[in-house]
Amino acid sequence: DAGVTQSPTHLIKTRGQHVTLRCSPISGHKSVSWYQQVLGQGPQFIFQYYEKEERGRGNFPDRFSARQFPNYSSELNVNALLLGDSALYLCASSSLAGGRGDTQYFGPGTRLTVL
Amino acid sequence: RKEVEQDPGPFNVPEGATVAFNCTYSNSASQSFFWYRQDCRKEPKLLMSVYSSGNEDGRFTAQLNRASQYISLLIRDSKLSDSATYLCVVPGADKLIFGTGTRLQVFP
Repeated sequence: DAGVTQSPTHLIKTRGQHVTLRCSPISGHKSVSWYQQVLGQGPQFIFQYYEKEERGRGNFPDRFSARQFPNYSSELNVNALLLGDSALYLCASSSLAGGRGDTQYFGPGTRLTVL
Repeated sequence: RKEVEQDPGPFNVPEGATVAFNCTYSNSASQSFFWYRQDCRKEPKLLMSVYSSGNEDGRFTAQLNRASQYISLLIRDSKLSDSATYLCVVPGADKLIFGTGTRLQVFP
């Protein structure tokens, strides 16, 4: 079975632009979470979606938005990019909603560089 | 106090050494914990789950001390391939809460 897939793998944008990142979960998984990892830090939670509904949101500005499609794939959108948005964006897939005790499997990530 | 705290390291150890990492967490209600391994510029991968007092898998042992609210990861007989960052993770209601990670470098 394929694992979590993300696209694109790398992206370079300039300040003020917007970006869309895509994620496909493991087959049969209904939950997708997004994390941002800046260099030298652990991943920080951005959103969780389960059955196409937002179930959790981290401490990120409204420039960040996401959605989940009927096939459980997901998009993360970031508007008005700032230099500080440069990071590895990770998508995680799990079979259940919520974080407690539920194993999350990560995709390879999208490395975003904002110039 | 941070929700999850780890010593960032780096820990530089020779092959064959035993090394231990500690992680403290702030939410006393947390019931389960994870250790993830992350190689340079790669995604985190689940190494071990800890649901009770501890868990052992080959050369790796994770222990949980609820009274002191810390989790440890012990690696015995270190291999060069163990070089990575080890992330301590505490599940929240709707998310995973990561520590900053502890970097391990095993040298010949």
